[in-house]
Amino acid sequence: DARVTQTPRHKVTEMGQEVTMRCQPILGHNTVFWYRQTMMQGLELLAYFRNRAPLDDSGMPKDRFSAEMPDATLATLKIQPSEPRDSAVYFCASALGVTEQFFGPGTRLTVL
Amino acid sequence: GENVEQHPSTLSVQEGDSAVIKCTYSDSASNYFPWYKQELGKGPQLIIDIRSNVGEKKDQRIAVTLNKTAKHFSLHITETQPEDSAVYFCAASTNTDKLIFGTGTRLQVFP
Repeated sequence: DARVTQTPRHKVTEMGQEVTMRCQPILGHNTVFWYRQTMMQGLELLAYFRNRAPLDDSGMPKDRFSAEMPDATLATLKIQPSEPRDSAVYFCASALGVTEQFFGPGTRLTVL
Repeated sequence: GENVEQHPSTLSVQEGDSAVIKCTYSDSASNYFPWYKQELGKGPQLIIDIRSNVGEKKDQRIAVTLNKTAKHFSLHITETQPEDSAVYFCAASTNTDKLIFGTGTRLQVFP
């Protein structure tokens, strides 16, 4: 059963702490996306990679957010330092090429 | 850039009735329009999509229509069931990877 996995599912942290979220894309998918979902802004694309190379991170606050793909089976999204306004659900999605995106279950982040 | 508007924000229907959700987009170059269903505590899941070379697509109780001239597309769910209750998102793309999502419609189907 191929699916995108994300860890952790829930994270509560204090302002100023570093947060790392991980994503394992579907095996064979070459495109990985990071989205953030909030009530106010809806679903926003933060960044995405193809064949592990970053293609677009224009949606990501550069001063505190970073996204990487250390290898084809792992994508990471880091926030340092975290702020209360970063509280949201962060989704990873993967795709083969430019069509259907398969979403993971999300990481619910709460920054106190 | 692309902007996608979605209406209504909430929709309540009786089981067995039809539900219609509408979206408009701004970029005439957009040519791919997926619809996602998000259940509570889960990630969005693609339920149907349409490309700009067709005007309508149907999959069992779900159909999507596209009007390129007016730049709007709609999701139609017939014979609604309680398990159709979820948040539905439309999106648009110019065949790049950047899906621009609408703000979502919370559909409630009452037994």
